[in-house]
Amino acid sequence: DAKTTQPPSMDCAEGRAANLPCNHSTISGNEYVYWYRQIHSQGPQYIIHGLKNNETNEMASLIITEDRKSSTLILPHATLRDTAVYYCIVRVAHGETSGSRLTFGEGTQLTVNP
Amino acid sequence: DAGVIQSPRHEVTEMGQEVTLRCKPISGHNSLFWYRQTMMRGLELLIYFNNNVPIDDSGMPEDRFSAKMPNASFSTLKIQPSEPRDSAVYFCASSLNGGETQYFGPGTRLLVL
Repeated sequence: DAKTTQPPSMDCAEGRAANLPCNHSTISGNEYVYWYRQIHSQGPQYIIHGLKNNETNEMASLIITEDRKSSTLILPHATLRDTAVYYCIVRVAHGETSGSRLTFGEGTQLTVNP
Repeated sequence: DAGVIQSPRHEVTEMGQEVTLRCKPISGHNSLFWYRQTMMRGLELLIYFNNNVPIDDSGMPEDRFSAKMPNASFSTLKIQPSEPRDSAVYFCASSLNGGETQYFGPGTRLLVL
């Protein structure tokens, strides 16, 4: 799986958009970008994933650059409850490999301030 | 819908004792994962089951750890004998057909004295 690089921490004002970057310059053509988050004392929570196109769901938007070497997770209107560690994970989708090992790095600690 | 259920939520035991952690995956999910999280090592996969069969146990630290999945709705992770370095939060997750969209339980906080 491709290695990812994320800033260790970010701050965001409540109500503003939070833009969390992730670099994955060694990504392969069949690797997806997954985002999870972990709120303090809880289990990780799936947010969104994508391959090439931008994706949006009820939680967030995922913007992947055309060369796929980086991506940005966007929380359009951050709330205090979005304070968490956000993990960017790159891996081949299941079905193309024998396992489903998600490798969680250190992620980005997002703090949403009132 | 009930999510992934783990028990106990907290466990304090003494070194050398047997510890059993339990997990009930989301109904209909046929893949189950056990993870461990520590400050030093972060979140790491211990073992992964698909259709009740262990597929990848390369993350199991040593023979003191064992995991079973006797049926589609129940799994256990056992540590025997436990050691202080096993202190961590243990998460269970489930997914459909081994997919990367995994749903995590609340975790079991284990402290071995």
